[in-house]
Amino acid sequence: GQSLEQPSEVTAVEGAIVQMNCTYQTSGFYGLSWYQQHDGGAPTFLSYNALDGLEETGRFSSFLSRSDSYGYLLLQELQMKDSASYFCAVNQAGTALIFGKGTTLSVSS
Amino acid sequence: NAGVTQTPKFRVLKTGQSMTLLCAQDMNHEYMYWYRQDPGMGLRLIHYSVGEGTTAKGEVPDGYNVSRLKKQNFLLGLESAAPSQTSVYFCASSTGLGNNEQFFGPGTRLTVL
Repeated sequence: GQSLEQPSEVTAVEGAIVQMNCTYQTSGFYGLSWYQQHDGGAPTFLSYNALDGLEETGRFSSFLSRSDSYGYLLLQELQMKDSASYFCAVNQAGTALIFGKGTTLSVSS
Repeated sequence: NAGVTQTPKFRVLKTGQSMTLLCAQDMNHEYMYWYRQDPGMGLRLIHYSVGEGTTAKGEVPDGYNVSRLKKQNFLLGLESAAPSQTSVYFCASSTGLGNNEQFFGPGTRLTVL
């Protein structure tokens, strides 16, 4: 079967750095995606890792280790607007995504 | 471009009633998906389609049927609604290429009494 594990909640203060982890167990792994979802809204794509290493997009970075079946999303210079749920998702066979249960990030001032 | 749209936005059903949720996309995407989201459960894939006329089962397909008669539309049907199907339903579409970024619709909030 397949499973993804994410911490349920993370709290941080404005300006800080936060790391949200994701471990997965799956077959047919093509890559690891990250999505952001604000309360009541639709998920939106943040990043994708197909190969080991770090991908950086502005304040967001995502890391993948295929040998460890592990990845993380790193957010720097946290802002209040970053308060949201963050989902990792495994790309299976290049088509369907299997999502984790998500990490709720709360940023306080 | 409207992106991905979903109809209706809200619906309340009684147990045993049927309904169809409509998803439309104007990005010429080949792949379309239906997910349900329950509190604390993340997004779970119900069914998906890799092209017009094709459908495939996802993680939680029981109690749902789908059809993809036109490339731009993906319909999700509930033949006999149950309270366990109370959820928020999201449709998404993608090219299926590269990072396979999925574009989501705004969701449909369904309550089954």
